Amino acid sequence: GEDVEQSLFLSVREGDSSVINCTYTDSSSTYLYWYKQEPGAGLQLLTYIFSNMDMKQDQRLTVLLNKKDKHLSLRIADTQTGDSAIYFCAEREAGRRALTFGSGTRLQVQP
Amino acid sequence: GAGVSQSPSNKVTEKGKDVELRCDPISGHTALYWYRQSLGQGLEFLIYFQGNSAPDKSGLPSDRFSAERTGGSVSTLTIQRTQQEDSAVYLCASSLSTGQQETQYFGPGTRLLVL
Repeated sequence: GEDVEQSLFLSVREGDSSVINCTYTDSSSTYLYWYKQEPGAGLQLLTYIFSNMDMKQDQRLTVLLNKKDKHLSLRIADTQTGDSAIYFCAEREAGRRALTFGSGTRLQVQP
Repeated sequence: GAGVSQSPSNKVTEKGKDVELRCDPISGHTALYWYRQSLGQGLEFLIYFQGNSAPDKSGLPSDRFSAERTGGSVSTLTIQRTQQEDSAVYLCASSLSTGQQETQYFGPGTRLLVL
């Protein structure tokens, strides 16, 4: 079955860039997603990338996809304390609607 | 409403009791999903409804779990004879389900604690 893995924790200083990494095993993934979960809140979709793209940029967010290595990353430029949250990587397999999520990376931004 | 809503927000129950969790999707969204998030884990897919089609129940962990969606809108997830390992946050999501890319919008979840 499919598997999505992320590192558990990342700590950065305010103003630095954060890079959160994700690896997946399913070669038929069509879309890959990044969700943000703040304490006590539901998941908020940050961005997504189609599997035939290498990069997508949206304001402070840059998503890089290496399909050969099945590696996805989320870069947050000029990280702010409000970016502190858990970030989930998720993938959608071809022909399937449900998402497969990683276990989440907790981003801690130090002032 | 503006977003996906779920009730109750918190539920504490005793082992062996049945519980019902409710999800109100975004108006007009034809697809509805239930996921479970155990402590320190990612989200685990449970069940998916799409319009009038038969639901995809492939993620339900046991026959104690069931869900229904009445009138293509509100959904109820029922857990019978709850066990301590059922303790988790149960998240509902809905989407328009148009085209290949569909954004799933998540509710705030129901935090279930089985004592």
